[in-house]
Amino acid sequence: GEDVEQSLFLSVREGDSSVINCTYTDSSSTYLYWYKQEPGAGLQLLTYIFSNMDMKQDQRLTVLLNKKDKHLSLRIADTQTGDSAIYFCAEYSSASKIIFGSGTRLSIRP
Amino acid sequence: KAGVTQTPRYLIKTRGQQVTLSCSPISGHRSVSWYQQTPGQGLQFLFEYFSETQRNKGNFPGRFSGRQFSNSRSEMNVSTLELGDSALYLCASSLASGTVPTQETQYFGPGTRLLVL
Repeated sequence: GEDVEQSLFLSVREGDSSVINCTYTDSSSTYLYWYKQEPGAGLQLLTYIFSNMDMKQDQRLTVLLNKKDKHLSLRIADTQTGDSAIYFCAEYSSASKIIFGSGTRLSIRP
Repeated sequence: KAGVTQTPRYLIKTRGQQVTLSCSPISGHRSVSWYQQTPGQGLQFLFEYFSETQRNKGNFPGRFSGRQFSNSRSEMNVSTLELGDSALYLCASSLASGTVPTQETQYFGPGTRLLVL
């Protein structure tokens, strides 16, 4: 079946890089996504990657995709306090619907 | 440009009742998707409407239904409410004519928080 898994918590020091990992099961997924949810600010589609790409970079964000291992990661460079949020990994599955992971809560230490 | 609006923002109902939630997409957007977010099940896709037609549907019972009007506004209805229906219901609006959301086209509303007692 379709499933997306990610760790629940990540704590990093301000200024360091954050790496949030995700694994998925649907090998025919065409798009993979990272969403950000901040308290009181709703859900935001942060970035996405096509399944035929290995990497996508957008300013401080780098998405890496290992299609063989069905592993997706989001790297946030120079993590700031404003990056504190829950990050959801998601796949656009072969059943034409979006499957979300449980979310990783990123907290920033001073 | 006004964002996605959802009404009401908060709602309290009792078991067995039914509820209708509303979503107004960004002007010009024709696709509206609904999601349910709960602490236990996380974020789950409910359904997507495009040009008044349901295009995709998640794994939810028939108590969950929706519709879209000619002005692209969408409503979601849940009948015979259960305690487990307590959740944040999110609506997303998209310009894209295809079914795949992309960064440039998908915008979320603030959600309706439903509490079932």
